[in-house]
Amino acid sequence: GEDVEQSLFLSVREGDSSVINCTYTDSSSTYLYWYKQEPGAGLQLLTYIFSNMDMKQDQRLTVLLNKKDKHLSLRIADTQTGDSAIYFCAENPGLGLGGYQKVTFGIGTKLQVIP
Amino acid sequence: NAGVTQTPKFRILKIGQSMTLQCTQDMNHNYMYWYRQDPGMGLKLIYYSVGAGITDKGEVPNGYNVSRSTTEDFPLRLELAAPSQTSVYFCASSYTGLAGGTGELFFGEGSRLTVL
Repeated sequence: GEDVEQSLFLSVREGDSSVINCTYTDSSSTYLYWYKQEPGAGLQLLTYIFSNMDMKQDQRLTVLLNKKDKHLSLRIADTQTGDSAIYFCAENPGLGLGGYQKVTFGIGTKLQVIP
Repeated sequence: NAGVTQTPKFRILKIGQSMTLQCTQDMNHNYMYWYRQDPGMGLKLIYYSVGAGITDKGEVPNGYNVSRSTTEDFPLRLELAAPSQTSVYFCASSYTGLAGGTGELFFGEGSRLTVL
């Protein structure tokens, strides 16, 4: 079955780059996502990458996808204290049974930014 | 810009009590979902709905029920609360389950439930 793995915790100093890694198992995944969850809030889509792409850049965010190794990473440049949150990796293999978007989430990586 | 609204935000239940978590969305999304989030466990899908009148079980449906009488509303019912149902519950919606969309999920702010 589908499985998404990521480390539990990452601590970086303000101004440094953060790299959060994720591995997934379903090679048929069409979209891979990074969601951000701030304390006491729901998840919010941060960025996504389509499976035919290797890299996607959006301002301070860079997403790298290695389909051969089923590895996804999120790099945050010039990390700020406001980036402190839990970051969830998720994969979407497309239509599941019943036709819904069967998104599978990792356990989330808590990013702590030290001033 | 309400998006997905969940109520209540917090609730304490006694074992055996029943309650309904409410969820409503104003984006005319056809797909709606209920997840639970437990520490170190990520999000687990409880139930989902592909449209009004259609619901189906996710990964962890035991102890829960849902209904979808309108596009906007997707309540989650706990019939006999148990300590194992202590969790944070998230309702989410998406525009389409069909191939061609990005599958972005829009989440509510969560409902923290404690069963004692």
